[in-house]
Amino acid sequence: EDQVTQSPEALRLQEGESSSLNCSYTVSGLRGLFWYRQDPGKGPEFLFTLYSAGEEKEKERLKATLTKKESFLHITAPKPEDSATYLCAVRQAGTALIFGKGTTLSVSS
Amino acid sequence: GAVVSQHPSRVICKSGTSVKIECRSLDFQATTMFWYRQFPKKSLMLMATSNEGSKATYEQGVEKDKFLINHASLTLSTLTVTSAHPEDSSFYICSARASLRGVNEQFFGPGTRLTVL
Repeated sequence: EDQVTQSPEALRLQEGESSSLNCSYTVSGLRGLFWYRQDPGKGPEFLFTLYSAGEEKEKERLKATLTKKESFLHITAPKPEDSATYLCAVRQAGTALIFGKGTTLSVSS
Repeated sequence: GAVVSQHPSRVICKSGTSVKIECRSLDFQATTMFWYRQFPKKSLMLMATSNEGSKATYEQGVEKDKFLINHASLTLSTLTVTSAHPEDSSFYICSARASLRGVNEQFFGPGTRLTVL
């Protein structure tokens, strides 16, 4: 059973069409939930870390929120340059990051 | 954010040869570095965790004699793929954990595309 599940697997949006990506997790003793952006052929780029339920962080058109079972990455008025794969990962105490399979976002103009 | 570099970015080698990939943390010291492998359209799979000056801890199913990891200093870790075969072709990504502002963050390198002919 996957410990980190991301949905949808792929998402196509029109420029300006806001939406949300979901990351649900089943690990206990969460020591952080991480969001990364990955462009094709490149390493993941760090976006946010969330540590406790109710926490929110924003960066430009992105906003990440966290509950006890899931996290959402909200994208407001996306632009074509926001097209990428968004990865969610969680860390338990003393372990490395456990990644979801990612959501591939395509934004067309 | 902190910067992690990898070298080379791409490598093509013949089957049976060994390939070394370097991972460096450029502006911070990383006591822990991680090596991941990523297949096309798949997420990152952790291969091993290495701490400076000690032996790496490998994930289940990863051959430690095939994927040699050396964490020689707080800013350098190397992954050597020994006697590479076509099935070892993949995208290898390193990551370094930094303690910034009292919080542990994990940053990734740009990746190395290995193609074994």
